[in-house]
Amino acid sequence: EVQLVESGGGLVQPGRSMKLSCAVSGFTFSNYGMAWVRQAPTKGLEWVATISYDGSSTYYRDSVKGRFTISRDNAKSTLYLQMNSLRSEDTATYYCTRAYSSYINWFAYWGQGTLVTVSS
Amino acid sequence: DIQMTQSPSFLSASVGDRVTINCKASQNINRYLNWYQQKLGETPKLLIYNANSLQTGIPSRFSGSGSGTDFTLTISSLQPEDVATYFCLQHNSWFTFGSGTKLEIK
Repeated sequence: EVQLVESGGGLVQPGRSMKLSCAVSGFTFSNYGMAWVRQAPTKGLEWVATISYDGSSTYYRDSVKGRFTISRDNAKSTLYLQMNSLRSEDTATYYCTRAYSSYINWFAYWGQGTLVTVSS
Repeated sequence: DIQMTQSPSFLSASVGDRVTINCKASQNINRYLNWYQQKLGETPKLLIYNANSLQTGIPSRFSGSGSGTDFTLTISSLQPEDVATYFCLQHNSWFTFGSGTKLEIK
């Protein structure tokens, strides 16, 4: 069974940093692209970042470029999202997602999400 | 950027009813449209991919149709366990989600 478990969320002040993790099981992590998707309170879902199966390619939405970094450790079957210079508009539940296949990057499986609150 | 307009936002129907939910893209997305279901307290689940392909394990009462800019998710006979929020995702050009439809039983 595919499982994605996020951690690392919480309350953080504006301008500070936070790192999210996503531990996966039930599939061969190194075969799939991964992504982070977020949902702000009372708002819709929003794609944040994608990383290829081997970590060689990364993609970001414009509003997080230069502030967020997606990465992965295939030996540990773990996905990360380093978030710097956080803003109030980054407040959201962050979901870890797995791609459908090694070359199809949309979101086939989702974690439960971890809440990030950016506030002073 | 491609915008996705989903309707209705809220839907109340009776068990056994045929239910339809719509997503409209701001430009042609071919058939690159998925539908997801999210029950309260659960992770989102993929129902339909590429407009009309049923994901493995999903009941056949769920179906998808459409191409270009207009897409529909249909539940042929609503069941109590279908209470959830449904949302669409376009993956023709990066990724954009619909705003969601909250479905309840009358």
